[in-house]
Amino acid sequence: NAGVTQTPKFQVLKTGQSMTLQCAQDMNHNSMYWYRQDPGMGLRLIYYSASEGTTDKGEVPNGYNVSRLNKREFSLRLESAAPSQTSVYFCASSEVGASPYEQYFGPGTRLTVT
Amino acid sequence: AQKVTQAQTEISVVEKEDVTLDCVYETRDTTYYLFWYKQPPSGELVFLIRRNSFDEQNEISGRYSWNFQKSTSSFNFTITASQVVDSAVYFCALRRSEWDYGGSQGNLIFGKGTKLSVKP
Repeated sequence: NAGVTQTPKFQVLKTGQSMTLQCAQDMNHNSMYWYRQDPGMGLRLIYYSASEGTTDKGEVPNGYNVSRLNKREFSLRLESAAPSQTSVYFCASSEVGASPYEQYFGPGTRLTVT
Repeated sequence: AQKVTQAQTEISVVEKEDVTLDCVYETRDTTYYLFWYKQPPSGELVFLIRRNSFDEQNEISGRYSWNFQKSTSSFNFTITASQVVDSAVYFCALRRSEWDYGGSQGNLIFGKGTKLSVKP
């Protein structure tokens, strides 16, 4: 049981390049999330997927797109990377029900855009 | 608006001292949920506790304890007899009730975190 996995762990991009961050969970959770963490800012939600086939914008969606490929996988795409997207990206998943369950986080992807 | 404030940016203590991390939240919801997460130097986020807004009982888990007070909108976290392994960034987070708003309001609203350094 690996929990939430993310690839890659580190990435350096040049301005304008594109890339996709991959996330997968093996806990059969319905909901999945992408956050970014910047120094002194805590974590901020980029996009989330309440269930397979649905996605919604979070607090900071500009410059990103997402795909909920199936119940296990939720990818984040940067179409044209900018230095402002230098950050640590975390994927998370949770179950849903009558009361919210805790979110389980992946190990993070450290992205640098030069 | 939903907001979480962790006013203490950094705290430094000596091993075996007790330390309290403050968390103050803002919400107009009557039902909500509060969380604490730990982020050690390795970078992963580790879930510590979840508390419902209608349950004000304090909780103790080993050296960790949490004091939830709705009257002051606070959910403080105390580590008793701190250890070097407690050194981490600690985040408090708020989540709305899905049943109040339909669909998923499942995102967590995080505070900016408190960096705790425990020195030997």
